[in-house]
Amino acid sequence: DAGITQSPRHKVTETGTPVTLRCHQTENHRYMYWYRQDPGHGLRLIHYSYGVKDTDKGEVSDGYSVSRSKTEDFLLTLESATSSQTSVYFCAISSGTSPSEKLFFGSGTQLSVL
Amino acid sequence: GDSVTQMEGPVTLSEEAFLTINCTYTATGYPSLFWYVQYPGEGLQLLLKATKADDKGSNKGFEATYRKETTSFHLEKGSVQVSDSAVYFCALNFNKFYFGSGTKLNVKP
Repeated sequence: DAGITQSPRHKVTETGTPVTLRCHQTENHRYMYWYRQDPGHGLRLIHYSYGVKDTDKGEVSDGYSVSRSKTEDFLLTLESATSSQTSVYFCAISSGTSPSEKLFFGSGTQLSVL
Repeated sequence: GDSVTQMEGPVTLSEEAFLTINCTYTATGYPSLFWYVQYPGEGLQLLLKATKADDKGSNKGFEATYRKETTSFHLEKGSVQVSDSAVYFCALNFNKFYFGSGTKLNVKP
């Protein structure tokens, strides 16, 4: 157990509504990541953070924003949800000190946008 | 850019059969290579890793060897069990993690 909690675990929402997903870690790791998982695409990086208030875009960042005001929390916001954002969202953490550093994953959030 | 390609699934095997899941990579540097496993309803878990050429990662009977000459990191297991049914992801890490699309393994009794 890497001490990662994602909330909510499941969410159903309507197109156009804002949605915020939360990732909480107890490991005090520097790096935190948000991925989405879709059939045929594997995991794709949305945004990542390398410290408090330090974030950067991943490969599929359009339509998403993030915030990290505390080391332990990394929030992913869909400002206006669309059906194409229906997916499973995973948070991951690492100490990020070397390329061999592994990622620890949360259990995921299943988001359905109707 | 950096990328990972793995064989498409699903792969269906009978219990005690030999497993190979192919993975090849493209990288500008010398990445570390990983296999992750995802059981239904869960997040990904690290299965094994290798950090340099010719290294062999192993765990729970699974093995993979870092082959620089063929840019490959194929996953193998000599005798699969029903409990090995899951989705397997190959990944590389240099400055960022890149994941393959995943291969679903079904093992039948």
